[in-house]
Amino acid sequence: KAGVTQTPRYLIKTRGQQVTLSCSPISGHRSVSWYQQTPGQGLQFLFEYFSETQRNKGNFPGRFSGRQFSNSRSEMNVSTLELGDSALYLCASSWGTGNEQFFGPGTRLTVL
Amino acid sequence: AQSVSQHNHHVILSEAASLELGCNYSYGGTVNLFWYVQYPGQHLQLLLKYFSGDPLVKGIKGFEAEFIKSKFSFNLRKPSVQWSDTAEYFCAVKGENQGGKLIFGQGTELSVKP
Repeated sequence: KAGVTQTPRYLIKTRGQQVTLSCSPISGHRSVSWYQQTPGQGLQFLFEYFSETQRNKGNFPGRFSGRQFSNSRSEMNVSTLELGDSALYLCASSWGTGNEQFFGPGTRLTVL
Repeated sequence: AQSVSQHNHHVILSEAASLELGCNYSYGGTVNLFWYVQYPGQHLQLLLKYFSGDPLVKGIKGFEAEFIKSKFSFNLRKPSVQWSDTAEYFCAVKGENQGGKLIFGQGTELSVKP
């Protein structure tokens, strides 16, 4: 069974731009969660989607948003990029909300 | 607010030494607990999990962890480490009614010398 896939793997943007990251969960998994990983703040929860609905949200500004499609694939969007948004963005999928999560390889975003 | 504290930022051991990584959490209700590992160049992998039942949990690759509710702790142990255990280890907590919201500790980098 294929694991969680994330595209693109690497991305370079400039301040003020916006970016969209994509995540395909493990087949059959209906919950997708997003995390931001930085050296200073570690791993921080962004949001969780289940059945196309946002179920949980972390403490990030409104510039960070996401959505989930009917096939459980998810995207996250960051608008008006700031230098501090440079991070590894991880997606995790699980069978249902609250079950163990399986992580993808991440998208490395660099904001210049 | 929930929080997770991992006591050691960097641990250096020789092969065959025993390992114990500390993890304490702050949360007022029932929790689910996890240890994840990130090998160099690889993505996060689940080592073990605790949802309920026996507080001594066994995971992959000879790792185990013990949930001590009175101490709000979930320490990771391995009796004899190998060079291939060199990685970063993350403890994570989830409130029972908080869906998929994992709160992670800062991570412990383990270096095993051959």
